[in-house]
Amino acid sequence: AQSVSQHNHHVILSEAASLELGCNYSYGGTVNLFWYVQYPGQHLQLLLKYFSGDPLVKGIKGFEAEFIKSKFSFNLRKPSVQWSDTAEYFCAVKKDGGSQGNLIFGKGTKLSVKP
Amino acid sequence: EPEVTQTPSHQVTQMGQEVILRCVPISNHLYFYWYRQILGQKVEFLVSFYNNEISEKSEIFDDQFSVERPDGSNFTLKIRSTKLEDSAMYFCAGSLEGYEQYFGPGTRLTVT
Repeated sequence: AQSVSQHNHHVILSEAASLELGCNYSYGGTVNLFWYVQYPGQHLQLLLKYFSGDPLVKGIKGFEAEFIKSKFSFNLRKPSVQWSDTAEYFCAVKKDGGSQGNLIFGKGTKLSVKP
Repeated sequence: EPEVTQTPSHQVTQMGQEVILRCVPISNHLYFYWYRQILGQKVEFLVSFYNNEISEKSEIFDDQFSVERPDGSNFTLKIRSTKLEDSAMYFCAGSLEGYEQYFGPGTRLTVT
């Protein structure tokens, strides 16, 4: 069965530190990849997505992610975090690349940014 | 910006009771989904719905669950006879073309 692994459960950083959150998936076929963010008390919001093309994708709020097919990874990065980035981050995969299909989520990584 | 809404935000029910969770997706969306997240666990897919029928469902989505889009705006999830293990946050999502999914704020269901 397909699965998504997020290795970091809780990451604590100071403002201006760089961020990298790991995401690995187990599916050998075509995938669409997503990062969602959930700010405290709010709903899941799409941060960025990869469908095809340039494996380095840029999302909102200065986030980016790199798809490395050989490593089955889609790590999220931000060069300099802010206190307002405190949230939970979820990696998700949709298999097959088609219009149907559900999202398979990782367990989430809680990010706490100290001011 | 249009948003997905869900009601109620919190539902408490007794074991064995029926509950209906409601969602109003973004108006031009065509694909609809329910997910759930048990406390401390992953967000899990329950069911997807397109063209007025279920297009995919997970093992979790057994005969106790049903979905409906009764009036072209609401999208509901019914649990016929709730169990303790149904306690979770239930998220509705919608999509225009089946690629990007937009989530609602969730309904916290507590079964006592």
